[in-house]
Amino acid sequence: EAGVAQSPRYKIIEKRQSVAFWCNPISGHATLYWYQQILGQGPKLLIQFQNNGVVDDSQLPKDRFSAERLKGVDSTLKIQPAKLEDSAVYLCASSPRRRDGEQFFGPGTRLTVL
Amino acid sequence: AQTVTQSQPEMSVQEAETVTLSCTYDTSENNYYLFWYKQPPSRQMILVIRQEAYKQQNATENRFSVNFQKAAKSFSLKISDSQLGDTAMYFCASWGSGGGADGLTFGKGTHLIIQP
Repeated sequence: EAGVAQSPRYKIIEKRQSVAFWCNPISGHATLYWYQQILGQGPKLLIQFQNNGVVDDSQLPKDRFSAERLKGVDSTLKIQPAKLEDSAVYLCASSPRRRDGEQFFGPGTRLTVL
Repeated sequence: AQTVTQSQPEMSVQEAETVTLSCTYDTSENNYYLFWYKQPPSRQMILVIRQEAYKQQNATENRFSVNFQKAAKSFSLKISDSQLGDTAMYFCASWGSGGGADGLTFGKGTHLIIQP
């Protein structure tokens, strides 16, 4: 079974530029999560999708971050414009069910904003 | 709301020794799960072990076991016969099934170093 795929693995941009991350969850997983992991901290949930609908985006800085999950499969997370404090690892995870918390993580994208 | 606290930023032990990583949590959920994840330098979060809160028996997975003290809200991870490949960040996490958003709540992590 293929795991969660993410791209790119690394991205370096200047502040005020825009950037997009892509995630392909495990086939058949209805729930998809985006987490932000700042250096020295644990991951923090940004947004959660159930199929192509948003379950929760209360931690997403909506003035600069946006996310979508078209057709309930792949998802993209965008930052526009980026700030220095957005430097972090962005992790995507998917889950086959929402009754025991089991989530499968992708390799993450390391974003550096200069 | 859920909180997870890991009070050991870094630990170092010799290969083959036993090491215990500490974690305390707080949750208002009646039905919840606790997890330990390993994150090596590759950044891939790997599930190490999972505990269902309503089960009194401590979970074990080969060299990994937990000490789950529900009343004390404590969930420690014991690694026996530690190996060089165990070197990584270890995160304790909680998940509750109260409805709505159900992302994992993570602690700040413990950097475990296994010395040869």
